[in-house]
Amino acid sequence: SAVISQKPSRDICQRGTSLTIQCQVDSQVTMMFWYRQQPGQSLTLIATANQGSEATYESGFVIDKFPISRPNLTFSTLTVSNMSPEDSSIYLCSVELLDTSTDTQYFGPGTRLTVL
Amino acid sequence: QKEVEQNSGPLSVPEGAIASLNCTYSDRGSQSFFWYRQYSGKSPELIMFIYSNGDKEDGRFTAQLNKASQYVSLLIRDSQPSDSATYLCAVTLRNSGAGSYQLTFGKGTKLSVIP
Repeated sequence: SAVISQKPSRDICQRGTSLTIQCQVDSQVTMMFWYRQQPGQSLTLIATANQGSEATYESGFVIDKFPISRPNLTFSTLTVSNMSPEDSSIYLCSVELLDTSTDTQYFGPGTRLTVL
Repeated sequence: QKEVEQNSGPLSVPEGAIASLNCTYSDRGSQSFFWYRQYSGKSPELIMFIYSNGDKEDGRFTAQLNKASQYVSLLIRDSQPSDSATYLCAVTLRNSGAGSYQLTFGKGTKLSVIP
């Protein structure tokens, strides 16, 4: 596996503001993904972070609300824009490793976001 | 609509017993199947993956896959209180043309192992 870190680990934000979450991996990966896990719910895929090109968003998620960057093979950011209390959630990045033939995803520790 | 279904539980088993967790999926094109364990307040941790019909064993864990029935299960032998967590079933389907996989999660089964 790989060591995946996320910053911040948690934050409390005011509505209308934006927060950028960072995901860093200690080895090269093929794919990076961003998920949301709302309280008591399972994981929902927000988007696939593509290196050097625009992210691929799932139905119900748009770039204006969740802009994503991936400048290289080991780093990605997710911004939650113009936040509302409904955005309170855990945000998780996951990766598929370069040195494996499987499509297994490994998850970072998550960012717990509370919007007041 | 691609779906993954799990019984939400809670499933309670005594320490030392076998815990059986079940999952069904709707898309016959699903290719890869995963079980993740998630402790409260933590991120999902991979337990096992399985690609072929049959059983796959790893220590106290056995994953079982039946593609004809669209059914995957996880057995935990000699259950321990430390196994108490939510177990998430996930399946992947290749996105045609994109060359990538989309992982779809069930809502998870909460397991409680009673000492």
